[in-house]
Amino acid sequence: DTAVSQTPKYLVTQMGNDKSIKCEQNLGHDTMYWYKQDSKKFLKIMFSYNNKELIINETVPNRFSPKSPDKAHLNLHINSLELGDSAVYFCASSQGSDNSDTQYFGPGTRLTVL
Amino acid sequence: GNSVTQMEGPVTLSEEAFLTINCTYTATGYPSLFWYVQYPGEGLQLLLKATKADDKGSNKGFEATYRKETTSFHLEKGSVQVSDSAVYFCALTAGGSYIPTFGRGTSLIVHP
Repeated sequence: DTAVSQTPKYLVTQMGNDKSIKCEQNLGHDTMYWYKQDSKKFLKIMFSYNNKELIINETVPNRFSPKSPDKAHLNLHINSLELGDSAVYFCASSQGSDNSDTQYFGPGTRLTVL
Repeated sequence: GNSVTQMEGPVTLSEEAFLTINCTYTATGYPSLFWYVQYPGEGLQLLLKATKADDKGSNKGFEATYRKETTSFHLEKGSVQVSDSAVYFCALTAGGSYIPTFGRGTSLIVHP
């Protein structure tokens, strides 16, 4: 059973297109996240949701919009894709209870914008 | 604010060599400290953690001790294997928050 799953695993698209990445967790966690990892493996948090409510929105262009239909899902929609959006995007989840929380990561979605 | 500093990679070792990856931190209060590992083509996964000073986290032959006096959480393994080749991330949570601060990652390459 996959704890945190993402689809698709690979996404190749043209500049200017709109695309979505889906994420689901079956761990019963209250908190979900989106991270962006660049080509040098630097990991940057983008968003965090707790019980379907946005609690962190780092400096991210407003072309990126997260949507949480329920506690188990956090989707990422990206409008007007740009070359600089090419990266690996990771969804993660955690209990959201205290600072000994462990993050559980999905397998990643490699986005390539041409 | 909180920050994590890791040694730059890549770290290149021969199989069975001793590994140390340095990690130091700055944080308010009493942080929890973590090491995550990312194998090629996969997401990060927890390797070990320690939640208070002098605690030692250990897993799969890796160890790290929470040193409050030196604000460090160095990762060690006595004898690395080719299968340990991965990127290792040091991280912390602090101040009652469960949102982690990650280091920049250290790539480890182990040759047969």
